[in-house]
Amino acid sequence: SQKIEQNSEALNIQEGKTATLTCNYTNYSPAYLQWYRQDPGRGPVFLLLIRENEKEKRKERLKVTFDTTLKQSLFHITASQPADSATYLCALDKLIFGTGTRLQVFP
Amino acid sequence: DGGITQSPKYLFRKEGQNVTLSCEQNLNHDAMYWYRQDPGQGLRLIYYSQIVNDFQKGDIAEGYSVSREKKESFPLTVTSAQKNPTAFYLCASSISENTEAFFGQGTRLTVV
Repeated sequence: SQKIEQNSEALNIQEGKTATLTCNYTNYSPAYLQWYRQDPGRGPVFLLLIRENEKEKRKERLKVTFDTTLKQSLFHITASQPADSATYLCALDKLIFGTGTRLQVFP
Repeated sequence: DGGITQSPKYLFRKEGQNVTLSCEQNLNHDAMYWYRQDPGQGLRLIYYSQIVNDFQKGDIAEGYSVSREKKESFPLTVTSAQKNPTAFYLCASSISENTEAFFGQGTRLTVV
């Protein structure tokens, strides 16, 4: 069955730097990949969707890449702020989620 | 306001009792989902439904049941057969299975 992996260790970065989160998948070729943000005790909130024929997508300070050869998506937050601290989840099509990576941005 | 509503936010039950979690949406979405989330873990799919009167098992359907009699509603029953039911349950809906999903606020179920 398909497997989706995100770095389970928290990512700690300084305010103003670029945060880069990784999502790897195996045994599958998704047509779409989505990224969500989840704050403690709340439901995830949709951020970006990228299709297999798109290499890159941007939304304000967010950028997502999708490399179907490497079976990997990278999620970037530029000029990070403490308010960006949250858990970020990637999801394959049919909404199969990874375990998420917790991002902590410190001043 | 359009949205997806889960109730209640907190639920306590005694072991051996069945309990039903409510999920209602007024977004006119065809697809609805139930996930379970344990502390420090990602979302695991319990059941999903792409259309009224039809639903499919996800990765961890054992001990759970659902119904989809109306487009707006997708209740989840946690049965006594579920060995470890204490968890955070999330319901979501989307226009179709390959579009962005909208999540409810979640129900934290504690079985004692």
